[in-house]
Amino acid sequence: AIQLTQSPSSLSASVGDRVTITCRASQGIGTALAWYQQKSGKTPKLLIYDASSLQSGVPSRFSGSGSGTDFTLTISSLQPEDFATYYCQQFNNYLFTFGPGTKVDVK
Amino acid sequence: EVQLVQSGAEVKMAGESLKISCTGSGYSFLSYWIGWVRQMPGKGLEWMGMIYLGDSDTRYNPSFQGQVTISADKSSSTAYLHRSSLEASDTAMYYCAITRGSWALNYYYGMDVWGQGTTVTVSS
Repeated sequence: AIQLTQSPSSLSASVGDRVTITCRASQGIGTALAWYQQKSGKTPKLLIYDASSLQSGVPSRFSGSGSGTDFTLTISSLQPEDFATYYCQQFNNYLFTFGPGTKVDVK
Repeated sequence: EVQLVQSGAEVKMAGESLKISCTGSGYSFLSYWIGWVRQMPGKGLEWMGMIYLGDSDTRYNPSFQGQVTISADKSSSTAYLHRSSLEASDTAMYYCAITRGSWALNYYYGMDVWGQGTTVTVSS
């Protein structure tokens, strides 16, 4: 099964910072990758699909890039409501895997 | 509005069985896959499996294969997650979500509509 790693596992940032989270797959998955945001005690929210497509209603400060094994989620200017945990998720051959998550908290 | 509504919180004893539901509304329910995701307390998201409501085609995470059963009732637009003999380690939040993609093309649109989650607490 394809494994996903995320780095860093956590980071501290300030409002206005540019934040970059990396997700690496154990084998190539093309662009079959999604990113989610989960705030404490809340349901996950889809941010990015197909590695770089912005889900409807998601602010444009979120962007995704990458293909194959290396992917990136970028928040161009961190807002107070963006402090949360972020997960990547891959699809391959009818199986899905989530990454372990990256927690973004206040510096 | 497209939405998924899950059944309420469950408190169970170890060894009991569990069946939680996920009912869709506001769209052609039979056209989508419904996935199930587990989140143990303080932990990350784990994909358990999914079912296509149109024909009940079901796919499982190998880690959960044989441990849970995913089923559906087209007539009520409801997907189910069943666990026959609970353990304390089954204590978790369980989510259902619409899962969209073109599988043959390896194109994935993501899990874009989520149920509110069902909390399951199992006492040993």
